[in-house]
Amino acid sequence: AQSVTQPDIHITVSEGASLELRCNYSYGATPYLFWYVQSPGQGLQLLLKYFSGDTLVQGIKGFEAEFKRSQSSFNLRKPSVHWSDAAEYFCAVGVMNYGGSQGNLIFGKGTKLSVKP
Amino acid sequence: DADVTQTPRNRITKTGKRIMLECSQTKGHDRMYWYRQDPGLGLRLIYYSFDVKDINKGEISDGYSVSRQAQAKFSLSLESAIPNQTALYFCATSELGASGSPDTQYFGPGTRLTVL
Repeated sequence: AQSVTQPDIHITVSEGASLELRCNYSYGATPYLFWYVQSPGQGLQLLLKYFSGDTLVQGIKGFEAEFKRSQSSFNLRKPSVHWSDAAEYFCAVGVMNYGGSQGNLIFGKGTKLSVKP
Repeated sequence: DADVTQTPRNRITKTGKRIMLECSQTKGHDRMYWYRQDPGLGLRLIYYSFDVKDINKGEISDGYSVSRQAQAKFSLSLESAIPNQTALYFCATSELGASGSPDTQYFGPGTRLTVL
């Protein structure tokens, strides 16, 4: 069965520092992968997604993610964090079992990012 | 105007009361979802609907029911609310991608429900 693990519950970085949020997935075939961000008091917004092709995916707000099949990972990165990036980040994998839940997403438990001035 | 709206945004109720949370979307998507978010547990799927006549239980459907009144409307009901249903509830919509692949889900702003 598909699953998603985000190993870090909470990360604190200084403003201007680089950021990497980890995501590991369990899936037998080529996965459909997503990163969402949830700002305080807001719903979830899509940052980027990987379906196929180039393994380095660019997203909104200066974020990028790299799909590494050998490591079953889809880590999110940003070269220089801004205070407004403080939020919770969720990684998700799409279900492709051609059964009743085909097309659904399975979410990780999230990583909360705090940004120090 | 937002593509996915939820009402109410906040609700406080008492144990045993019946509560309905409503979701509307203008994206024209067939698929709609209800999730529950609890701190440290991420998002858990309660119910999902692939069209008006197709409703399915998710991971945690006990104590909840849903109604898909139209393509654009999907309501979640708590028949008899209990305190451990205190949570943030999200509605989402999506299409099915090419060849039946998953595609982006678009989320509403959430409803914060407190059951006393």
